[in-house]
Order: sequence, then structure tokens, then C-alpha cells
Amino acid sequence: DAEITQSPRHKITETGRQVTLACHQTWNHNNMFWYRQDLGHGLRLIHYSYGVQDTNKGEVSDGYSVSRSNTEDLPLTLESAASSQTSVYFCASSGAYTGELFFGEGSRLTVL
Amino acid sequence: KNEVEQSPQNLTAQEGEFITINCSYSVGISALHWLQQHPGGGIVSLFMLSSGKKKHGRLIATINIQEKHSSLHITASHPRDSAVYICAVRRYGGSQGNLIFGKGTKLSVKP
Repeated sequence: DAEITQSPRHKITETGRQVTLACHQTWNHNNMFWYRQDLGHGLRLIHYSYGVQDTNKGEVSDGYSVSRSNTEDLPLTLESAASSQTSVYFCASSGAYTGELFFGEGSRLTVL
Repeated sequence: KNEVEQSPQNLTAQEGEFITINCSYSVGISALHWLQQHPGGGIVSLFMLSSGKKKHGRLIATINIQEKHSSLHITASHPRDSAVYICAVRRYGGSQGNLIFGKGTKLSVKP
């Protein structure tokens, strides 16, 4: 069965360190998205991609970057982690025509 | 004021009850999603709709574009329906995945 997986599921890091969260999907979807979920804010879009070599900024992109070198993967990098980036991160993908979203299980990141 | 408002924020029901969760939005939209998130778990897409009504098992979603309102109904509720239900909209002319999310409705169904 097709799926979308995130790793690591839990990570604790220190302020200033670089962190990369992985997202891998086997749906062969062109569209991939990264969201963060925080109490009181709900889900917010960080970055998204509509295909290989395409990346776009979302609502809360400062301090984050993504790259899309193949269809399956969209890693999210925090160049210099800050405590404000402590959150639960969700990756999602969707087909070009249906628009239905498929989410990963989430990655809980704690920045100390 | 949030562009997507859900009500109620919290809902407790007895097993078997009919449940309604509401979503109101203030922008023009091209699609509306209903999502389900179990405690500590991932997010599952229940429905995506742009008009009318959709049904899947015991779940029914309706949307009224003119009134900018959508409802999610659960018939014959069960404890396994306990979860957070999230409404999200795609602005008219907006891109897929670039959604505005509501803050969710936490549902607890007691046996």
C-alpha cells in the first residue's frame, strides 16, 4: 500500500543546531507540504512543492528550508533551531487533480 | 477574527448519539476539507468537498457555499469516534495544500 512516512518521530535538540526532518511518500504525488501544529494556532503551512526542483514558502517559512530532488522526498531543514520551533510537524502529499491530502504520522520536535 | 471558525470547541456525547460539528468561514473558497486527528496520532482526511453533500459510512459532510458554512455529522456515534475534527479551507484561486485551518473540535464519545 502507498504511504507517507516521517522520521524521526521524536527529536530533542539544542538551540542553534541544524535539524532535518525527513518525509517520504510512495503515492507518486507531485504535491508535498510541510505544516506545523501548535496549541492555539492549529496547523500552519511552512513550505510546499509541486514537483521536482519546485519549492514555495508558506505562511510560517522563516527559519525553515526544503529541497525537492525527487518525487518521493521533501526534507525539512531547520538551519539553526530555536525554541520557538518546538512543535509537531506534519508532512502531507496530494495528487495533482484530486486535491485529497494524505498526512504522515507527525514528528515531535523539542528545541531546548 | 479567524477566517475559519469551528463550533463547538469541545463536545462530549454518549455512545449512539447523533453529532454535529460546525465550520464557518469568511473567505471565498474552492474546497473545504474535514480532517480527523486521534490523540497522539496522525491526521486523516475524511472529506474534501466544494458543494453539496458527501457520505462515508456513518459520517456525512455538507457545505452551503452561499452561507459559507459546512457541517460534519456522525450518526450512531461510537467511542472510537473520539478525536479532534479539523475543518480547513482552500481560498478561491489558492493552491492545493495552502489551506486555512480551524482550531479543531475535540469530540469525546462515552460508552
